[in-house]
Amino acid sequence: NAGVTQTPKFQVLKTGQSMTLQCAQDMNHNSMYWYRQDPGMGLRLIYYSASEGTTDKGEVPNGYNVSRLNKREFSLRLESAAPSQTSVYFCASTPRTGAYEQYFGPGTRLTVT
Amino acid sequence: AQSVSQHNHHVILSEAASLELGCNYSYGGTVNLFWYVQYPGQHLQLLLKYFSGDPLVKGIKGFEAEFIKSKFSFNLRKPSVQWSDTAEYFCAVNARANAGKSTFGDGTTLTVKP
Repeated sequence: NAGVTQTPKFQVLKTGQSMTLQCAQDMNHNSMYWYRQDPGMGLRLIYYSASEGTTDKGEVPNGYNVSRLNKREFSLRLESAAPSQTSVYFCASTPRTGAYEQYFGPGTRLTVT
Repeated sequence: AQSVSQHNHHVILSEAASLELGCNYSYGGTVNLFWYVQYPGQHLQLLLKYFSGDPLVKGIKGFEAEFIKSKFSFNLRKPSVQWSDTAEYFCAVNARANAGKSTFGDGTTLTVKP
């Protein structure tokens, strides 16, 4: 039981390049989330998926797109990376939306030059 | 909209000192409250949570937190810290009427000196 896994762990992009961050969970959770973590700013929600087939914007969705590929997988895409997107990205999941703690993946450290 | 404020950005303590980290939230309805910890180089993991019932909740590694509804607070405490408690601590609120989306505080970095 691996929990929440993320790939890659590290990535360096040039401005304007695109990439997809992958996230998968093996806990049969319905809800999945993407956050970014910046120094002194905590975690900010980018997008979330309450259940398979649905996605919604969070607090900071601009410049990102998501796909809930199936119940297990939730990917985050940067179409045209910008230096402001340099951050650590965390994926998380919960059994469903509501009164549940979040289970986090190990994070992806992204640098955009 | 819900928001979370953590009062201390960086706390430095010596081993065996007592710890209290402040957390206040802003939301008028029913909330669920969490403290998460992020050890250096690791991902966030749950320390403790409050959903309902006894406002004093106990978590892992000797941590506890008290929910004071009248003060909109959920402060984290530990009577005697250890060097291994060095980490970043995040308070989070999840409003039941807000589709379960959590809002995190900015985090408090705790450094424990041996």
